[in-house]
Amino acid sequence: AQSVTQLGSHVSVSEGALVLLRCNYSSSVPPYLFWYVQYPNQGLQLLLKYTSAATLVKGINGFEAEFKKSETSFHLTKPSAHMSDAAEYFCAVSLNNQGGKLIFGQGTELSVKP
Amino acid sequence: DTGVSQNPRHKITKRGQNVTFRCDPISEHNRLYWYRQTLGQGPEFLTYFQNEAQLEKSRLLSDRFSAERPKGSFSTLEIQRTEQGDSAMYLCASSLLGGGSPLHFGNGTRLTVT
Repeated sequence: AQSVTQLGSHVSVSEGALVLLRCNYSSSVPPYLFWYVQYPNQGLQLLLKYTSAATLVKGINGFEAEFKKSETSFHLTKPSAHMSDAAEYFCAVSLNNQGGKLIFGQGTELSVKP
Repeated sequence: DTGVSQNPRHKITKRGQNVTFRCDPISEHNRLYWYRQTLGQGPEFLTYFQNEAQLEKSRLLSDRFSAERPKGSFSTLEIQRTEQGDSAMYLCASSLLGGGSPLHFGNGTRLTVT
């Protein structure tokens, strides 16, 4: 069965610093991978997705992620953090033969210090 | 695209009462999903529909939980004889068919069982 592990339940960066949120997946077949962001008391918003095209995926709000099959990773990065990036971030995996359902990681809370 | 709509946003109920939540998906989306999210955790899959057919139910979905999507449009999630452990955010999402189609989430219904 597939699974997702997000390393670090909480990450704190200074405004303007690099953001790196780590995600590793486990899957016996090539997966689809997603990053979502959640602000307090809201649903999840799609940041970006990997669906077997380019391994470097660009998303909204300046985020991007790179799919590395050899490392089974899909880390999320942003060159320069803004205060508005403070939120909970979730990595998720799905398989084509499982009805599109997503399996989520535990989440990483990003704090941005002024 | 008016987004996924969930009602109510908040529900407070006493232990033992029944509650029902409603989800209106994006109109052209065939698939509809229910997830449960507790504080500090990633969303956990409960069940999903393709059109009006319920195709998968998680083991998390005890016999006190039932979901319907009678005409392939809106869906309801009912919890009978609520328990304090049912307190959580219940998220609904919808998607198009096809591998890698992202899920679009509503803002959720927060249930508090006292």
